[in-house]
Amino acid sequence: AQSVSQHNHHVILSEAASLELGCNYSYGGTVNLFWYVQYPGQHLQLLLKYFSGDPLVKGIKGFEAEFIKSKFSFNLRKPSVQWSDTAEYFCAVNARRGSTLGRLYFGRGTQLTVWP
Amino acid sequence: SAVISQKPSRDICQRGTSLTIQCQVDSQVTMMFWYRQQPGQSLTLIATANQGSEATYESGFVIDKFPISRPNLTFSTLTVSNMSPEDSSIYLCSGETSGGLTDTQYFGPGTRLTVL
Repeated sequence: AQSVSQHNHHVILSEAASLELGCNYSYGGTVNLFWYVQYPGQHLQLLLKYFSGDPLVKGIKGFEAEFIKSKFSFNLRKPSVQWSDTAEYFCAVNARRGSTLGRLYFGRGTQLTVWP
Repeated sequence: SAVISQKPSRDICQRGTSLTIQCQVDSQVTMMFWYRQQPGQSLTLIATANQGSEATYESGFVIDKFPISRPNLTFSTLTVSNMSPEDSSIYLCSGETSGGLTDTQYFGPGTRLTVL
């Protein structure tokens, strides 16, 4: 079975600091990659996704992520965080097997707290 | 994308009772899924709800405990049967828009269940 690792469980930053959240996965084949965000009291929302092409993908609210196949990583970045970015961030992966997709696997999440 | 709603948003139940959670999608999706999210943990897939056929359960989850229905393409229910305090969790519904190998899941707001 696949696994998804998010090494940072809780990250605390001041506003305007740069952010990088790590995500590594264990599957050796072709994958689809996602970052979801859950703001306090709100539901899980899609932040960005990677299927193919340019390994640097841009999402909503100034977030971006870079797929590095050789490192099995899909790290999330933002150059300057805001207080409103306080949320829990989940990395998710599913594997392509021929013409089908496997189920979606989630990391355990990273809680980001941004101090004003 | 898809907009997904769930009812109820939260409930407090007595041990031994059952609760049925409803999930409604605003557009047709190919597949619907049910997840459990326990505090501080990742999302765990319970089952895939298939329209017109029996749900597909993940290891550790059984139909007698979590019966699922999907009578049409935009609606599904999950029942948590014979509840115990260990079933206290957030239950999430998701729908997957069809893009072939670029399918994307969108999530409902969740149902927060507390079992006393």
